[in-house]
Amino acid sequence: AAGVIQSPRHLIKEKRETATLKCYPIPRHDTVYWYQQGPGQDPQFLISFYEKMQSDKGSIPDRFSAQQFSDYHSELNMSSLELGDSALYFCASSQGGHAVGNTIYFGEGSWLTVV
Amino acid sequence: QKEVEQNSGPLSVPEGAIASLNCTYSDRGSQSFFWYRQYSGKSPELIMSIYSNGDKEDGRFTAQLNKASQYVSLLIRDSQPSDSATYLCAVSNSNYQLIWGAGTKLIIKP
Repeated sequence: AAGVIQSPRHLIKEKRETATLKCYPIPRHDTVYWYQQGPGQDPQFLISFYEKMQSDKGSIPDRFSAQQFSDYHSELNMSSLELGDSALYFCASSQGGHAVGNTIYFGEGSWLTVV
Repeated sequence: QKEVEQNSGPLSVPEGAIASLNCTYSDRGSQSFFWYRQYSGKSPELIMSIYSNGDKEDGRFTAQLNKASQYVSLLIRDSQPSDSATYLCAVSNSNYQLIWGAGTKLIIKP
């Protein structure tokens, strides 16, 4: 079965550079979530989109932005990168948001290293 | 106090024994509860979801939910070394936000 696809899988950037992560949800899933997970930490929710509109906002820095496109894929744009942005970034998708009974499924993540 | 709390462990269990993982949550309006397994450097993988009080069994895994006491647990029977991982409890609260626990590191000793 098709899963959530993320690209790139690994990315190395220098401080103050910009990075873009892409996420392709499971077919027919209309909701996309972005999470950041630092070493040894639980996933931190950044932002989510439902039907191409922002549905919830978590601890996403102002330097980051995201959007969901007409084909439901999503991109997370990160600017003015800092060393502390080094983390594993997960995208997840679901059908119908967080309604009872809906489950979110995760992509394999994108490793961002800022040097 | 975090909305979802788990003992960080590590929890060490002999191979073949039952591993018991616990999670408590603070929002009484929460309705959906999930257990994810995460290997180091990998994405969380859904193990179980549970929505109503009681037990739900799937193979060697049993999820237990008690909404009155606001806890959800995961039992792993006949523990295998491959079960060694971090287990994340996630709760969809009354605002339909998915709140994560910090995870419990489980170590199965051969």
